[in-house]
Amino acid sequence: ETGVTQTPRHLVMGMTNKKSLKCEQHLGHNAMYWYKQSAKKPLELMFVYSLEERVENNSVPSRFSPECPNSSHLFLHLHTLQPEDSALYLCASSQSNEAYEQYFGPGTRLTVT
Amino acid sequence: GQNIDQPTEMTATEGAIVQINCTYQTSGFNGLFWYQQHAGEAPTFLSYNVLDGLEEKGRFSSFLSRSKGYSYLLLKELQMKDSASYLCAALDSNYQLIWGAGTKLIIKP
Repeated sequence: ETGVTQTPRHLVMGMTNKKSLKCEQHLGHNAMYWYKQSAKKPLELMFVYSLEERVENNSVPSRFSPECPNSSHLFLHLHTLQPEDSALYLCASSQSNEAYEQYFGPGTRLTVT
Repeated sequence: GQNIDQPTEMTATEGAIVQINCTYQTSGFNGLFWYQQHAGEAPTFLSYNVLDGLEEKGRFSSFLSRSKGYSYLLLKELQMKDSASYLCAALDSNYQLIWGAGTKLIIKP
């Protein structure tokens, strides 16, 4: 099993739906991240978990709700999203929450209709 | 505020050399990363510089000047598979990564 995996790879959802994105890392890291990547914009850090505790929350709307049940798994629960939330959502992990070298998953391409 | 600037897009020819520049302004500085991202794929780590100078790794080299807030990624002997976006990111005083928007590199035969 390689590095960091994400499911689903593609997701189309309506504004009233509830869905969850899943990330799993097989690298023995203790920090995990959610990023939003929109076209021609810098990566936007959404949430950081270190040792399963949330250490960073960059003013993300409450319609995005993260969950980190253990150091290998990270979820992003989505509800009542807006069309502007359509983007690539990337998960990453690192050895500590001091960022350094992060390993990324392939991302979930989310389209909100 | 914190900011990373890099060109939006560059075009180069197969077999040639290309230099992708990045300037940064951050609250403190703990190093500069370059990542490569092919379309539809995850960003992958290329290099990390924290001291001034050039670090060479095969066909790819990365340079840092801390006094100028400047870095570049140098790609030699370009191959078609080098077509990708190249992301520059600086590590600030809180050890958080500040990301640039990426440079899309197009390689032509």
